[in-house]
Amino acid sequence: AQSVTQLDSQVPVFEEAPVELRCNYSSSVSVYLFWYVQYPNQGLQLLLKYLSGSTLVKGINGFEAEFNKSQTSFHLRKPSVHISDTAEYFCAVSDTGNTGKLIFGQGTTLQVKP
Amino acid sequence: DTAVSQTPKYLVTQMGNDKSIKCEQNLGHDTMYWYKQDSKKFLKIMFSYNNKELIINETVPNRFSPKSPDKAHLNLHINSLELGDSAVYFCASSRRPGATGNTIYFGEGSWLTVV
Repeated sequence: AQSVTQLDSQVPVFEEAPVELRCNYSSSVSVYLFWYVQYPNQGLQLLLKYLSGSTLVKGINGFEAEFNKSQTSFHLRKPSVHISDTAEYFCAVSDTGNTGKLIFGQGTTLQVKP
Repeated sequence: DTAVSQTPKYLVTQMGNDKSIKCEQNLGHDTMYWYKQDSKKFLKIMFSYNNKELIINETVPNRFSPKSPDKAHLNLHINSLELGDSAVYFCASSRRPGATGNTIYFGEGSWLTVV
């Protein structure tokens, strides 16, 4: 079974500052890794995903994440945030088998202040 | 065109009622899902269908019954609604499970409030 832990429930940051949202996972099998964003009262939108290959993954809206197999981490970063990045961010894993289901972390609320 | 659309977006109903949420995807995907997001924003899968066949049922009470008339539609029917059923229900779809790059696309969510 897989599990995902997002280490921070809330991350307040000032506009134009860098940010890192932390995600650790646990799995006995190979996994795919994802970051989704949920803006207020909206659905989930894929930011980026790691399937294989290069451990640094670039996504939409200037976000990137680095897969670290030895530390079982997949932290999300952005060098300079905007007010519009204020949202809930979810890290998720899926196994590479035949279910396709996502296991989500608890979410991190990113609050960007002016 | 909305890729994964679900209706209604908001639903307020009384305890004991029966209600349905409809979902349609126009992405040509084979697999559809229902996820539940509780009041603490925790997301968990409820069901998954692949080509109209149930492949995941995550110990959801049998008051919840998914129905897939074809692979583009997956509806969720809930009988005898309880206060604890209040949540946001997300429909989603993807290509066949296990496919490399199997991104799951989510709908906008249906906010269910049971009073």
